[in-house]
Amino acid sequence: DQQVKQNSPSLSVQEGRISILNCDYTNSMFDYFLWYKKYPAEGPTFLISISSIKDKNEDGRFTVFLNKSAKHLSLHIVPSQPGDSAVYFCAARLNQAGTALIFGKGTTLSVSS
Amino acid sequence: GAVVSQHPSRVICKSGTSVKIECRSLDFQATTMFWYRQFPKQSLMLMATSNEGSKATYEQGVEKDKFLINHASLTLSTLTVTSAHPEDSSFYICSASDVGAQPQHFGDGTRLSIL
Repeated sequence: DQQVKQNSPSLSVQEGRISILNCDYTNSMFDYFLWYKKYPAEGPTFLISISSIKDKNEDGRFTVFLNKSAKHLSLHIVPSQPGDSAVYFCAARLNQAGTALIFGKGTTLSVSS
Repeated sequence: GAVVSQHPSRVICKSGTSVKIECRSLDFQATTMFWYRQFPKQSLMLMATSNEGSKATYEQGVEKDKFLINHASLTLSTLTVTSAHPEDSSFYICSASDVGAQPQHFGDGTRLSIL
């Protein structure tokens, strides 16, 4: 039973437009959410995170929104760039320091120029 | 620059071989490191939590005698896949974070192929 779900395996966007990646979760005990970006043959690279006490966190072109009532978070990338093409993983952590992350299956983003 | 170093990046070996993978935190001390495994088109699945100076905690379904974990120092954890078989072929990846902090930083992973 997947606790973190990324229902869209892929997303294609044109350069300059907005990319919206979605993530749903089932466990209300998650207190911290992260987005990682992964290129082939490399480990995931941290992108942006949000605490469960917030509903938005912005860092440059990247913004993460959290809707706790819907158990849904999304990553917005604007404007999208070809270099953003990668697999994006949503991850969540239980409200306990030092615990492992629980990952979604990932969404492959392709940004065309 | 990378804050977690994982080695080797690629291993191809015969069935029955034991393979050791190293995970090092470069800029910080990590009392806890995590080992994940990723099969094609699947998410990263936690295998075990490696605790410095104590036994690792394994997830359900992960054989502790098959996947030996040693976390002898605050900067190094090793995963040894003992007597590897083709079904153990996968992408193994470690992560670590400074004490209690987020985010976790990941190594670049090890692609293990057992012939």
